Amino acid sequence: DQQVKQNSPSLSVQEGRISILNCDYTNSMFDYFLWYKKYPAEGPTFLISISSIKDKNEDGRFTVFLNKSAKHLSLHIVPSQPGDSAVYFCAASTPSGGGADGLTFGKGTHLIIQP
Amino acid sequence: GAVVSQHPSWVICKSGTSVKIECRSLDFQATTMFWYRQFPKQSLMLMATSNEGSKATYEQGVEKDKFLINHASLTLSTLTVTSAHPEDSSFYICSASRDYTDTQYFGPGTRLTVL
Repeated sequence: DQQVKQNSPSLSVQEGRISILNCDYTNSMFDYFLWYKKYPAEGPTFLISISSIKDKNEDGRFTVFLNKSAKHLSLHIVPSQPGDSAVYFCAASTPSGGGADGLTFGKGTHLIIQP
Repeated sequence: GAVVSQHPSWVICKSGTSVKIECRSLDFQATTMFWYRQFPKQSLMLMATSNEGSKATYEQGVEKDKFLINHASLTLSTLTVTSAHPEDSSFYICSASRDYTDTQYFGPGTRLTVL
């Protein structure tokens, strides 16, 4: 059973526009969420995270929104740049901040930024 | 800071042989290290969690006698795939965290191909 779901396998966005990547989760015990960026044959690179006590976290061009009641989070990238083209993984963790427990990953969304 | 390396980056071996993959935290001490596995176009699946000096905790369905994990120091964890078979061919990624409040930092991954 997929506890973290990324229902869009791919997303194409024009350069300069906003990219919105979505993630849903089913396990109500998750309280820490992360987004990773990954290129083929490389390990994931941490982008941004959010604790369940917040509903928004912003870091430069990246903003993550969390809707606990809907068990939904989204990653906004604005403006989108060609270098943002990659696979984005949503991950979740049970209470700890992510450092002590393994992460549960979604299947990823392949973001393609078109010039 | 927070760099994690893996060695080798890729390995090809014959069926029945054992393969060791190293995961090192280069500029920090990792209390906890994790091992993930990724099949093509699939999510990263947590295999096991290891704390320095303790036995690894394996996820359900992961054979601990087949995937031997050793976390002998605060900067090194090893995964040994024993008696490898073609179905073990996969992309293995490790991550490390400084403590339970820290995020996980991922290594670049190791591509294992078993002939």
